[in-house]
Amino acid sequence: GAVVSQHPSRVICKSGTSVKIECRSLDFQATTMFWYRQFPKQSLMLMATSNEGSKATYEQGVEKDKFLINHASLTLSTLTVTSAHPEDSSFYICSARGLAGDPSSYNEQFFGPGTRLTVL
Amino acid sequence: KQEVTQIPAALSVPEGENLVLNCSFTDSAIYNLQWFRQDPGKGLTSLLLIQSSQREQTSGRLNASLDKSSGRSTLYIAASQPGDSATYLCAVDLDSNYQLIWGAGTKLIIKP
Repeated sequence: GAVVSQHPSRVICKSGTSVKIECRSLDFQATTMFWYRQFPKQSLMLMATSNEGSKATYEQGVEKDKFLINHASLTLSTLTVTSAHPEDSSFYICSARGLAGDPSSYNEQFFGPGTRLTVL
Repeated sequence: KQEVTQIPAALSVPEGENLVLNCSFTDSAIYNLQWFRQDPGKGLTSLLLIQSSQREQTSGRLNASLDKSSGRSTLYIAASQPGDSATYLCAVDLDSNYQLIWGAGTKLIIKP
């Protein structure tokens, strides 16, 4: 099946620093990648949708200048949390959807294992 | 606006029992519905995906049903095992923009 990886799996940083999280589709090309965050004991919340080669679409209430998303290739999207603060500590999960016409990866989203961010 | 609700929020049952988790959604115009499993501090494992034209899907001891007209899906787990303990999430996929709308999850504990 289609595999999505995330790196790093866990990161601890000081307040004010920036953190970059990578999301890669390993065995398929992803036209669309999604970034979610999950606070403890809560469900996932969609942050933004990114299409390869274009600007990401952010959900209401998500600061685009704080959460920079780059989807430069069909297999890689990055989320950069800029000037991170303790309230940004969360579990970040990406997902990817394949190319139209690829039945093995187009009709559903495939999720990465997540990245645990802790901001001290 | 599509909303997804999961009941119960938490469930604890003895090992070996059959159980049903419920997911309801407010708008029947969905593309598909997925059930996921999430272990504490971990990512998501996709369990079953039901297309809007399907009524159910089965995988091993798991069976998921979908009734679009009533806005409901159930996840049936047969002969539960302690290893089934996890949070189970359902999510509906809207056709228009391929975004998933998530339920809050059911935390399942299977007691040995």
